[in-house]
Amino acid sequence: QKEVEQNSGPLSVPEGAIASLNCTYSDRGSQSFFWYRQYSGKSPELIMSIYSNGDKEDGRFTAQLNKASQYVSLLIRDSQPSDSATYICAVKGYSSASKIIFGSGTRLSIRP
Amino acid sequence: EAGVVQSPRYKIIEKKQPVAFWCNPISGHNTLYWYRQNLGQGPELLIRYENEEAVDDSQLPKDRFSAERLKGVDSTLKIQPAELGDSAVYLCASSFGQGASGELFFGEGSRLTVL
Repeated sequence: QKEVEQNSGPLSVPEGAIASLNCTYSDRGSQSFFWYRQYSGKSPELIMSIYSNGDKEDGRFTAQLNKASQYVSLLIRDSQPSDSATYICAVKGYSSASKIIFGSGTRLSIRP
Repeated sequence: EAGVVQSPRYKIIEKKQPVAFWCNPISGHNTLYWYRQNLGQGPELLIRYENEEAVDDSQLPKDRFSAERLKGVDSTLKIQPAELGDSAVYLCASSFGQGASGELFFGEGSRLTVL
C-alpha cells in the first residue's frame, strides 16, 4: 500500500463546475497536509496547507481534512481552464524530522 | 524576491558519464532539499540539508550520488557514473526555519536524460 494515494486521473470537469480531488494516507500519525499544483513542464507550487480537521478556504480553493478517515481533499470552485494541472497531495508526520511524503498526483483537465 | 534557482535546466548525457546540478535557495532559507521526480510520479526526497549539515540522506544512492552544501547556501548534486534509470527531473527546494517543512519552494528543476 502506498503511503499517500491519489487517483491519477485524468479528471475532466466542465468550466465553472466544482472540481473535487481526493487523497488518502496510511500513517495515522500524520499531522500536516499540503496540496501542490504542478503545471506541465513546471515545478510543484504550494497552494494549500491544512493542519486541523475540517475545512480551510482560500479564494476558490477549499481543503478538507478528516484525520479519523485518513482523508484529505481539495475542492476548486468555479473551475477555470487555468486550473488544468496535476494536483499533488503531500503529508508530513509530527516531528521536525518527519519526511514529507508526496502522492503521485491527480491530473485535472477543465474543459471549456 | 528571487526564487530557488537551479542549473542547468536540461542535460543530456550518455550512460557512465558524470553530471552535476547546482541550486541556489531562497535567501534566508536554512533548509534545502534535493528531490527526484519521475514522469507521472510525485517528488521523492534524495537529501535534506539544514544549513551545511546533511540531516537526512537515507534515500540518496550513495554509490553514485553525492551532494554538498558548502557554507550553508548553494548546493550541488552529482551523479557519477550516470545510469539509464537516472533519467528524471531533479528538483531543488528550500524552506524557512529548521526541520523538515511541508511548505516547500521548488526551483524549476533540472531535467536529465541519460542515453
